Amino acid sequence: AQSVTQLDSHVSVSEGTPVLLRCNYSSSYSPSLFWYVQHPNKGLQLLLKYTSAATLVKGINGFEAEFKKSETSFHLTKPSAHMSDAAEYFCVVRAIGAGNNRKLIWGLGTSLAVNP
Amino acid sequence: DTEVTQTPKHLVMGMTNKKSLKCEQHMGHRAMYWYKQKAKKPPELMFVYSYEKLSINESVPSRFSPECPNSSLLNLHLHALQPEDSALYLCASSQVGRQVGGTEAFFGQGTRLTVV
Repeated sequence: AQSVTQLDSHVSVSEGTPVLLRCNYSSSYSPSLFWYVQHPNKGLQLLLKYTSAATLVKGINGFEAEFKKSETSFHLTKPSAHMSDAAEYFCVVRAIGAGNNRKLIWGLGTSLAVNP
Repeated sequence: DTEVTQTPKHLVMGMTNKKSLKCEQHMGHRAMYWYKQKAKKPPELMFVYSYEKLSINESVPSRFSPECPNSSLLNLHLHALQPEDSALYLCASSQVGRQVGGTEAFFGQGTRLTVV
């Protein structure tokens, strides 16, 4: 069975400082992993995805994530936070198995606050 | 066009009303999804359509009735809802991924539903 754990429910950073949002996953298979962002009262936007190609994945808005199989991690980073990055971030793994490959397994989310 | 369009954006309905939520995409995706999202929580999968046929129903109460008239449209018919059904309802679409590599889901902005 697949699962995903976001290690921090809330992260607060100052504008211009680095962002680190942590995600660990569990999967018996080579996983597909995603990070989505949701701004207040908005839908979900895909930031980036890992699908067994390069382990360092670059996404939109300066975000990137590194897939580390030995640590079963897929942490999201950004070198310099911007006020507009304040949002809820979800780490997601795609379920694998007969009939299940259209299910997404969601972490509980990390709320990112960016202070001026 | 990488957009999923949902209407209406906001909906207030009484417990005896019948209403419908609509979702449209023109990306040629053959998998479409309904999710329910409560505040500060990850989305919960409700239904999945694959090639216009219902493939997953996550034990959703019958007061929610999905319909997929064609490959671009997805509806969610609502009848006799309860106040606890108030939530953000999100539509998504994706390719039908059979590979481990998987495919990402594209989300609409959601319909904010309030049941009074």
